Amino acid sequence: GAVVSQHPSRVICKSGTSVKIECRSLDFQATTMFWYRQFPKQSLMLMATSNEGSKATYEQGVEKDKFLINHASLTLSTLTVTSAHPEDSSFYICSAREVGSVEQFFGPGTRLTVL
Amino acid sequence: GNSVTQMEGPVTLSEEAFLTINCTYTATGYPSLFWYVQYPGEGLQLLLKATKADDKGSNKGFEATYRKETTSFHLEKGSVQVSDSAVYFCALSGTSYGKLTFGQGTILTVHP
Repeated sequence: GAVVSQHPSRVICKSGTSVKIECRSLDFQATTMFWYRQFPKQSLMLMATSNEGSKATYEQGVEKDKFLINHASLTLSTLTVTSAHPEDSSFYICSAREVGSVEQFFGPGTRLTVL
Repeated sequence: GNSVTQMEGPVTLSEEAFLTINCTYTATGYPSLFWYVQYPGEGLQLLLKATKADDKGSNKGFEATYRKETTSFHLEKGSVQVSDSAVYFCALSGTSYGKLTFGQGTILTVHP
């Protein structure tokens, strides 16, 4: 089956620093990748949709200058949380979709803790 | 817009009990429907899917049937195991981009 990896799985950083999270599709080409945020005991909130080679589309209420998304290749998308603050602490999950498929494959998630 | 409503949890069952988690949806057109499972500390795994009305998705003993007349996609399993303890999400995809709309998730705990 299709595999999506995320790196790092956990990160702890100081307030004011930036953190980059990578999402890779390991055995397929992902024309579209999605970034979600999940709060404890809650559902996934879609942050943005990124298509390879074009700018990401952000959901309403998500600050694009705060959460920078780059989808530079068909197998890699990155989410950079800039000037992180404690309220950015969360579980970030990416997913990837192959062209022509209705199915999304999810990464294992990244637990971000901002001190 | 699209929306998904799941039965509120948490759901607590004894091993070998019958499981039903209700899911209803609102969408235009003909969405694809999914059930995802999330084990503690992990990302989501696709459990099953159905892409058109009357399709039945099944996997690992779980089943769900796409009912367009009742706009439902209820998850069932005849005999749950402790290892089924997880959070279950119902979701739909109604656009060509594959953007998913999730339900709020249902926590399932199975006791020995």
